[in-house]
Amino acid sequence: RKEVEQDPGPFNVPEGATVAFNCTYSNSASQSFFWYRQDCRKEPKLLMSVYSSGNEDGRFTAQLNRASQYISLLIRDSKLSDSATYLCVVTDTGGFKTIFGAGTRLFVKA
Amino acid sequence: DTAVSQTPKYLVTQMGNDKSIKCEQNLGHDTMYWYKQDSKKFLKIMFSYNNKELIINETVPNRFSPKSPDKAHLNLHINSLELGDSAVYFCASSQGATNEKLFFGSGTQLSVL
Repeated sequence: RKEVEQDPGPFNVPEGATVAFNCTYSNSASQSFFWYRQDCRKEPKLLMSVYSSGNEDGRFTAQLNRASQYISLLIRDSKLSDSATYLCVVTDTGGFKTIFGAGTRLFVKA
Repeated sequence: DTAVSQTPKYLVTQMGNDKSIKCEQNLGHDTMYWYKQDSKKFLKIMFSYNNKELIINETVPNRFSPKSPDKAHLNLHINSLELGDSAVYFCASSQGATNEKLFFGSGTQLSVL
């Protein structure tokens, strides 16, 4: 089983749609959780951290379920500029090692 | 000013050659990393240095040797390049050793012919 698993997609959605991505991780002792965004041929950039209480940043909402070892990202009112690959990221118990999922590709169309 | 800068952006070379990629960060971070992103887009950590000391060394061939002359620089030297080394290599940095938030360089596309 992969340490961090994501549906690779692609997700093709129209502008204005709401889209949700899921991610599961295998190590129950994982410490920190993040979503990163990677545009084509660019470096990954931090989108948001993920907390058990859930957190929101504008149109983006992230949720962590430790019991199910499951992380989600919800994007509301999708924009063309949201088209990218979204990477689920988990750090190990000590926090020293960061493990990236393979990413979920999102295409938002006009 | 670019926070994490790496050079060169593109590197095309023949099998068997030796090459280096340089990385510098001006964020004042203590920890720097090298990641490899292969053709399947998996990002995998290769090395991590905290204040010039190696703290993570994943199963990477000995042909790869990182060097950190100071905490703002982490260079990657690769000996005897192989076809399978073709990938995008990203340098990154974070404030502490527990890599809460990573800041990445723009990547080096290495093509081994």
